[in-house]
Amino acid sequence: DADVTQTPRNRITKTGKRIMLECSQTKGHDRMYWYRQDPGLGLRLIYYSFDVKDINKGEISDGYSVSRQAQAKFSLSLESAIPNQTALYFCATRSKVAGADTQYFGPGTRLTVL
Amino acid sequence: DAKTTQPPSMDCAEGRAANLPCNHSTISGNEYVYWYRQIHSQGPQYIIHGLKNNETNEMASLIITEDRKSSTLILPHATLRDTAVYYCIVRAPGSARQLTFGSGTQLTVLP
Repeated sequence: DADVTQTPRNRITKTGKRIMLECSQTKGHDRMYWYRQDPGLGLRLIYYSFDVKDINKGEISDGYSVSRQAQAKFSLSLESAIPNQTALYFCATRSKVAGADTQYFGPGTRLTVL
Repeated sequence: DAKTTQPPSMDCAEGRAANLPCNHSTISGNEYVYWYRQIHSQGPQYIIHGLKNNETNEMASLIITEDRKSSTLILPHATLRDTAVYYCIVRAPGSARQLTFGSGTQLTVLP
């Protein structure tokens, strides 16, 4: 079984709809991240969480919100989806062990907003 | 995080070793070299990292020059499934919160 899972894998929605993307991990890591990737561009950080009570905005948090329901679960919500939020979304985890700077990514969610 | 420079693309014959170079001439003493890859539209995958010694794992080997200004990722027996964009990233432990992926090297393994 995959260490980092994302649901759904693909989603098509309409402008103005609320949508939630979910991420679960079995790695036991404290730190979790949400990124988006647009065609031909690198990853951009939306939100990150160092533990259940520590949630922080990334460089492009406007229009998004998150919830860290448990150490293993980190959800990303689009309160009112708009077409320029069409992108590939990745969840990632990272251990807080000193020097362990490796991030492990989920398979991605392809979101299309019409 | 230090800047890295990679060739935009490389080809490699299936079964042969793929050697992917990375220049990081401004690397600081406490910065590690990380390699990730991204197969088309899949999540980025960690490959290997190192500080100054050469490293090897089940996926690849990492050779870092003595002055640490450049490194080479070696896939010893490339397969078609190794076709991906490979990213070299230099960062200090606990540094910037997000990974910054540059443009990377598109490796195409040819049959």
